[in-house]
Amino acid sequence: DTGVSQDPRHKITKRGQNVTFRCDPISEHNRLYWYRQTLGQGPEFLTYFQNEAQLEKSRLLSDRFSAERPKGSFSTLEIQRTEQGDSAMYLCASSFGQNNEKLFFGSGTQLSVL
Amino acid sequence: GQQVMQIPQYQHVQEGEDFTTYCNSSTTLSNIQWYKQRPGGHPVFLIQLVKSGEVKKQKRLTFQFGEAKKNSSLHITATQTTDVGTYFCAGRDNYGQNFVFGPGTRLSVLP
Repeated sequence: DTGVSQDPRHKITKRGQNVTFRCDPISEHNRLYWYRQTLGQGPEFLTYFQNEAQLEKSRLLSDRFSAERPKGSFSTLEIQRTEQGDSAMYLCASSFGQNNEKLFFGSGTQLSVL
Repeated sequence: GQQVMQIPQYQHVQEGEDFTTYCNSSTTLSNIQWYKQRPGGHPVFLIQLVKSGEVKKQKRLTFQFGEAKKNSSLHITATQTTDVGTYFCAGRDNYGQNFVFGPGTRLSVLP
């Protein structure tokens, strides 16, 4: 399968714990996005990379969230000191190009904070 | 910041009926995209519109971009049960690099 893959598919954690998610984009894609989606809502933008550079980060994003994309390949999203409000589906998407860009989404990581 | 709204939030139709969802942005868009998310699935790209007043068709689906590039619509003719899902528009303005998604319209098709 050469699509966008995310790991793990599900994560249950206790409030206050740190969690890390991984995203492997389509290999030739230079752009990588992280979105968060709660039930009944559209994907909410978190952050975006072009190659290894993090070019944009949502102003609504707490300092507890951090993302990296070393070497411009896979990306990780870490949430420190999780809160119940962090419970959501975390979606990764990758794309190639700028003018005719289309996002390819992974299946997401469902986070439940107890 | 840029905001994208969609109406209606839900739509229930009888199989064979038409369906339309509308998308409105608070800012002028450089382009707009439409995605479909099946229940339990992830968003899947349908189409991108770039030009003012652009109309594109994919079989029974017709997509339109407004003249002012602030609104868009998706029309499905003669819905089928396979059309069930949530339809999202996603807009990119002239300043940002990310795509801002609307809240989506959830379509139910009764056989």
